[in-house]
Amino acid sequence: GAVVSQHPSWVICKSGTSVKIECRSLDFQATTMFWYRQFPKQSLMLMATSNEGSKATYEQGVEKDKFLINHASLTLSTLTVTSAHPEDSSFYICSAREALGREAYEQYFGPGTRLTVT
Amino acid sequence: GESVGLHLPTLSVQEGDNSIINCAYSNSASDYFIWYKQESGKGPQFIIDIRSNMDKRQGQRVTVLLNKTVKHLSLQIAATQPGDSAVYFCAELVPSWADSWGKLQFGAGTQVVVTP
Repeated sequence: GAVVSQHPSWVICKSGTSVKIECRSLDFQATTMFWYRQFPKQSLMLMATSNEGSKATYEQGVEKDKFLINHASLTLSTLTVTSAHPEDSSFYICSAREALGREAYEQYFGPGTRLTVT
Repeated sequence: GESVGLHLPTLSVQEGDNSIINCAYSNSASDYFIWYKQESGKGPQFIIDIRSNMDKRQGQRVTVLLNKTVKHLSLQIAATQPGDSAVYFCAELVPSWADSWGKLQFGAGTQVVVTP
């Protein structure tokens, strides 16, 4: 089956610093990748949708200058949290959708990255 | 500031019993629905899906029911096992101007606790 990996699985950073999270589709090409944020005991909230080679589309209320998304290839998307603050501490989950050609909708989720900002 | 802590609805089930998890979805234009299982500290895992032209679909030990009239989705797990303990989310594929496929919108989730 299709596998999506994230790196790192957890990270602790100091307030004011930036941290980058990578999302890779390991055995398929993903024209579209998604970034979600999940706070404890809450649901997944879509932050942004990124298409390979173009700018990401951010959901309402998500600061594009704070959460920088790059989708430079069909297998890699990165999320950079800039000037992180304790309220950015969360579980960040990426998801990848397989390239066109499939009849069924296929969206695969990564294992998540736990970010703690101190 | 700090986010207010929320408590997921919890369903306690005895091992061997059947579980029924309910979900109300929001968009009458949604035409595809998925149930996910999420274990602590992990990403969501696909369980079963259903399209809006169906009202029931069965998998291995799981059944999804869709009632479009009242925008309700349910997941039935037969003979619940300890390994079924997790948070279960329904998700609907909502039409989006930015994406021809639409975007997945997740429900609030239900914590399932299986007791021996």
